[in-house]
Amino acid sequence: DILMTQSPSSVSASVGDRVTITCRASQGISSWLAWYQQKPGKAPKLLIYAASSLQGGVPSRFSGSGSGTDFTLTISSLQPEDFATYYCQQANSFPFTFGPGTKVDV
Amino acid sequence: QVQLVESGGGVVQPGRSLRLSCAASGFTFSSNHMHWVRQAPGKGLEWVALISYDGSNGYYVDSVKGRFTVSRDNSKNTLYLQMNRLRAEDTAVYYCVKDGGSVVGAAHAFDVWGQGTLVTVSS
Repeated sequence: DILMTQSPSSVSASVGDRVTITCRASQGISSWLAWYQQKPGKAPKLLIYAASSLQGGVPSRFSGSGSGTDFTLTISSLQPEDFATYYCQQANSFPFTFGPGTKVDV
Repeated sequence: QVQLVESGGGVVQPGRSLRLSCAASGFTFSSNHMHWVRQAPGKGLEWVALISYDGSNGYYVDSVKGRFTVSRDNSKNTLYLQMNRLRAEDTAVYYCVKDGGSVVGAAHAFDVWGQGTLVTVSS
């Protein structure tokens, strides 16, 4: 199975900050990586697919980059509604696996 | 609008069975692969199963192989998860999820999620 790791596990930030989250795969997954946002008590929401493609309706302050084993999610200017937990997921091979999550809070 | 609505969760004793359902609307259900993803209380996300668009193929995480079966009825726009020999570690919110494969590059990304249904395995 492909192990996904994320860093940091949590980050304290303020509105307007630039936030970067890193995701690493235990083996190469090309660009088969997605990012999700989850708020408490809610289902996850797809933000980014194919490592850098923005899902429809997602604000342009979210961006993704990387390929192979190392990926990043960047929020260019944190907004109040962005405080949440973020997960990466490899879509390269079965079983599809998620990172442990990064909590972005105040 | 695109919608997935799960049902069938509840409290069940270890070793017993439960069947989850997911009603889909707002998209061409029969053209899309579908997944189940679960989340134990206070924990991260775990992919559970995928079923191909026509129901001909199913894939599972090792921890549920031989106990869970994913199926679908395209005439009813409904996805199912039959869960047998349930264990305490199966306790989780189970999400019905649409595969993003209708978009180039989004295959096996999860683009539409239901609200989830809670399964609690406890004596």
